[in-house]
Amino acid sequence: DAGVTQSPTHLIKTRGQQVTLRCSPKSGHDTVSWYQQALGQGPQFIFQYYEEEERQRGNFPDRFSGHQFPNYSSELNVNALLLGDSALYLCASSSIELQLLVPGELFFGEGSRLTVL
Amino acid sequence: RKEVEQDPGPFNVPEGATVAFNCTYSNSASQSFFWYRQDCRKEPKLLMSVYSSGNEDGRFTAQLNRASQYISLLIRDSKLSDSATYLCVVNAQKSSGDKLTFGTGTRLAVRP
Repeated sequence: DAGVTQSPTHLIKTRGQQVTLRCSPKSGHDTVSWYQQALGQGPQFIFQYYEEEERQRGNFPDRFSGHQFPNYSSELNVNALLLGDSALYLCASSSIELQLLVPGELFFGEGSRLTVL
Repeated sequence: RKEVEQDPGPFNVPEGATVAFNCTYSNSASQSFFWYRQDCRKEPKLLMSVYSSGNEDGRFTAQLNRASQYISLLIRDSKLSDSATYLCVVNAQKSSGDKLTFGTGTRLAVRP
């Protein structure tokens, strides 16, 4: 049973470029959340997708956008990259049913480490 | 003020020691509370949920004080494998939503 998978694992971009990160949730999960973790900080919530719609959003600018596909996989897009966007981007999956059983249990992927030069 | 505050550490303790981590949260409407563990350069994983009545899982004990908006984690008989960053996590959602707010994390280093 594959866990949450993310790609790419590492990437380097320059300021002003755009990036797309991808995530496949754990089997049986239908909800995908994205978090940004800067060095030495805890993960910060970006947004969550359920049924192909953005369900919740954190305090991130519109440069951060996303998408969920019918197979529950998801993409995170960041436009006009800034140096401060350098971070580990974590995808986490869950399901509505799981949240009822164990509220707050998210399954994280290993992340995509983005460096902006 | 940060929504979830933790002492970043590091806590350096010998094997067998008992160590306690504390965390405070600012949103009094917060509904559920957790400790996650994150190993170096790895993803966070749920360690345990935290309940007002306190809960224990082996060597780990978590406690919640809603009146003081304070959460704690106690690790007894520390093992080398306990070395990691411990993240205090709060969920303000009353529904099954899972927008989690993480603290900065407290780093623990257990030495032989």
